[in-house]
Amino acid sequence: DTGVSQDPRHKITKRGQNVTFRCDPISEHNRLYWYRQTLGQGPEFLTYFQNEAQLEKSRLLSDRFSAERPKGSFSTLEIQRTEQGDSAMYLCASSLVLAGYRRSYNEQFFGPGTRLTVL
Amino acid sequence: DQQVKQNSPSLSVQEGRISILNCDYTNSMFDYFLWYKKYPAEGPTFLISISSIKDKNEDGRFTVFLNKSAKHLSLHIVPSQPGDSAVYFCAASHSYQGAQKLVFGQGTRLTINP
Repeated sequence: DTGVSQDPRHKITKRGQNVTFRCDPISEHNRLYWYRQTLGQGPEFLTYFQNEAQLEKSRLLSDRFSAERPKGSFSTLEIQRTEQGDSAMYLCASSLVLAGYRRSYNEQFFGPGTRLTVL
Repeated sequence: DQQVKQNSPSLSVQEGRISILNCDYTNSMFDYFLWYKKYPAEGPTFLISISSIKDKNEDGRFTVFLNKSAKHLSLHIVPSQPGDSAVYFCAASHSYQGAQKLVFGQGTRLTINP
């Protein structure tokens, strides 16, 4: 399977604990995005990477959240001191954006998500 | 502020008939629009897209129409099949270099009745 994979698929944790999620994008894709989806809403942008560089972070990404993409391959999203409001589906997506083009139509491919429940 | 809106939370359609899902946007800088389909416990799956230089794009049973003046797009599914039952999300982005992050609507749950 050459699609986007995420691990774990489900995570239940107690308030105050730290959690880390992993995303493996489609191998040739240079962009990686993290989104969060809560019940009844569409996914909301959190952050994205162009290769290993984190280029933008949403206001939704508080100081308790940190994301990395070492070597421009897989990415991790860590949430420290989890709160009940962090309970959501965390989605990873990847895409290929060609350098040197002023305009690029960015079709993103999503993984299955990690459902986080904070008790 | 909700820049992309899907005002119908749910839609029920008879198998074999046409399903029409609607989406409105407010940001005139959006120039690329996508539809995703989502089953429970899975991530969104890309269906079809359209750039603002077109007003229609067709792929098999799926057609997306874009009305830029009204800032409105719609997804037509003909004929509808039971496997089409899912939540459909409309998304928009800006194609110029930058994040090109997707801004999603709230979704419409489509149910196809046999």
